[in-house]
Amino acid sequence: DAKTTQPPSMDCAEGRAANLPCNHSTISGNEYVYWYRQIHSQGPQYIIHGLKNNETNEMASLIITEDRKSSTLILPHATLRDTAVYYCIVRGRGQGAQKLVFGQGTRLTINP
Amino acid sequence: GAVVSQHPSWVICKSGTSVKIECRSLDFQATTMFWYRQFPKQSLMLMATSNEGSKATYEQGVEKDKFLINHASLTLSTLTVTSAHPEDSSFYICSASGAGVRENTEAFFGQGTRLTVV
Repeated sequence: DAKTTQPPSMDCAEGRAANLPCNHSTISGNEYVYWYRQIHSQGPQYIIHGLKNNETNEMASLIITEDRKSSTLILPHATLRDTAVYYCIVRGRGQGAQKLVFGQGTRLTINP
Repeated sequence: GAVVSQHPSWVICKSGTSVKIECRSLDFQATTMFWYRQFPKQSLMLMATSNEGSKATYEQGVEKDKFLINHASLTLSTLTVTSAHPEDSSFYICSASGAGVRENTEAFFGQGTRLTVV
């Protein structure tokens, strides 16, 4: 079972920041938080991951709370192409713990 | 990022026949590959994990005799849906991880294969 909870859907205006929350209250100390997104009828696309520090890359920023029980994915300037289902996943280390278990995700719609 | 290629992108087959889906890692050695299935408007469901050179590990409820997985090389895994039925119609997606891919970086996904059984 997925270890995360996300809102089923969100809307955001084009050009604005999209903030996607995720709860992972049972995360253990060696588990990372991963974010993927899936555009309709395509394979999931990696966005970002982190352990406890905030992370930023060319796609997004990841803010993880100090207690690590929740996180927020931030798309700083959303475009119409960011419309997708966004999945927040916790994943452990090591050879036997690499599988990604997907929850229901958040369907993000960017409106013009 | 690393590239994972699935083939075919879509396939239509008759009920009772078998269908093979290929998943290739193009620029890295995939020691582990994962197969997922996704029904319309649902999330991805992990079917099985395959490690190169060994038998696949299936998730609970997934019939190993129906969904045959072979991971004979570090760049290729195949999923064969045997005696396909209309209820097997779904979007099948593979993912790969392994040597050359940093531990705890992203797993790379193929573009998916849409199977329609008629």
